[in-house]
Amino acid sequence: SQQGEEDPQALSIQEGENATMNCSYKTSINNLQWYRQNSGRGLVHLILIRSNEREKHSGRLRVTLDTSKKSSSLLITASRAADTASYFCAPHRNQGGKLIFGQGTELSVKP
Amino acid sequence: GAGVSQSPSNKVTEKGKDVELRCDPISGHTALYWYRQSLGQGLEFLIYFQGNSAPDKSGLPSDRFSAERTGGSVSTLTIQRTQQEDSAVYLCASSLEVSGYTFGSGTRLTVV
Repeated sequence: SQQGEEDPQALSIQEGENATMNCSYKTSINNLQWYRQNSGRGLVHLILIRSNEREKHSGRLRVTLDTSKKSSSLLITASRAADTASYFCAPHRNQGGKLIFGQGTELSVKP
Repeated sequence: GAGVSQSPSNKVTEKGKDVELRCDPISGHTALYWYRQSLGQGLEFLIYFQGNSAPDKSGLPSDRFSAERTGGSVSTLTIQRTQQEDSAVYLCASSLEVSGYTFGSGTRLTVV
């Protein structure tokens, strides 16, 4: 299926530390997207990396993509308590286009 | 509007009643999606509209669930004869073809 699987399921770190979350998928993709969800409501799109890109940065976020291993990682540097949220990856194919989300990684950043 | 708008934000209904949930996507976004999220769970895909193509209904859990998208814009998700297991947050999202999704804040449905 097109679903991404996040790992670990839960991650607890201290403020200032880096957080790394991983994503694996099974199908070919055109891009992979990462989202954040606070308090069980709407997801916020963080970053999109295309299949021909290997690394992308946005502020304190760094995303890598290895299409040969069908995996991606999201690194949050210098974490803050406000980064506490659930993080989801979503592999995406342009044709047929829907995103299927996994269970997410629940990140807890302790002050 | 600037974002995806969902209404109502909260809905409490009695078991067996029908409910309608509304989604106003971002103007110009051709794709619209409905997801459901039960407490502590991931997002469950329900239905996907893309332009004038037939919707992808593969995620609808039963024939009590249906959705329409009128004029390529507003969408309504209808749940008939609600059951307690329908209680969840229903999320709508819209997107352009190759971009991230923009989600609404969701409708929290409680069936009592």
